[in-house]
Amino acid sequence: RKEVEQDPGPFNVPEGATVAFNCTYSNSASQSFFWYRQDCRKEPKLLMSVYSSGNEDGRFTAQLNRASQYISLLIRDSKLSDSATYLCVVNPISGGYNKLIFGAGTRLAVHP
Amino acid sequence: DAGVIQSPRHEVTEMGQEVTLRCKPISGHNSLFWYRQTMMRGLELLIYFNNNVPIDDSGMPEDRFSAKMPNASFSTLKIQPSEPRDSAVYFCASSRDRPPEKLFFGSGTQLSVL
Repeated sequence: RKEVEQDPGPFNVPEGATVAFNCTYSNSASQSFFWYRQDCRKEPKLLMSVYSSGNEDGRFTAQLNRASQYISLLIRDSKLSDSATYLCVVNPISGGYNKLIFGAGTRLAVHP
Repeated sequence: DAGVIQSPRHEVTEMGQEVTLRCKPISGHNSLFWYRQTMMRGLELLIYFNNNVPIDDSGMPEDRFSAKMPNASFSTLKIQPSEPRDSAVYFCASSRDRPPEKLFFGSGTQLSVL
């Protein structure tokens, strides 16, 4: 079983739609969770962290469900510029050092 | 802030040749990571360093791969001999030790082994 699993998509949605991605992780001791965004032929960049209480940043909402070991990302009012691959990232905490494990990504395509 | 700098941006080589990828992390960052990305396997962590010391190299595919960090501002990833299946985008990233939140990635090296 992979440490971090995501639906690869693609999710094809019209502008203005609401879309949600889920991601599951295998290590129940994991402490830190993030969503990164990667544009085509570019490097990944941090989109947002995922806190136990959930967090919101504009049109983006991230949530964590520890009992079921998954995190989610909700995008409201999708824009064309949201088209990208969204990477779920987990820090399984090994010796307290940074060790971020990336999921394979979910591709989102927003069309007019 | 110049960001993480990788070189070369593109590398095309023939099977059996030695390949060296270079990375300059952001000044003041204590951790450095090498990732490889392919369509089939996504982003794979190869190795990471903390304070120039290799902490975990369990992701390094085989003995053909080696990585060094002789000082806080420079790291190399070497493949010798290279094989076609090594073709991928290789990313270097750096971060501060605490909190373990944000990785800053370089632009990557697109490696093609013919």
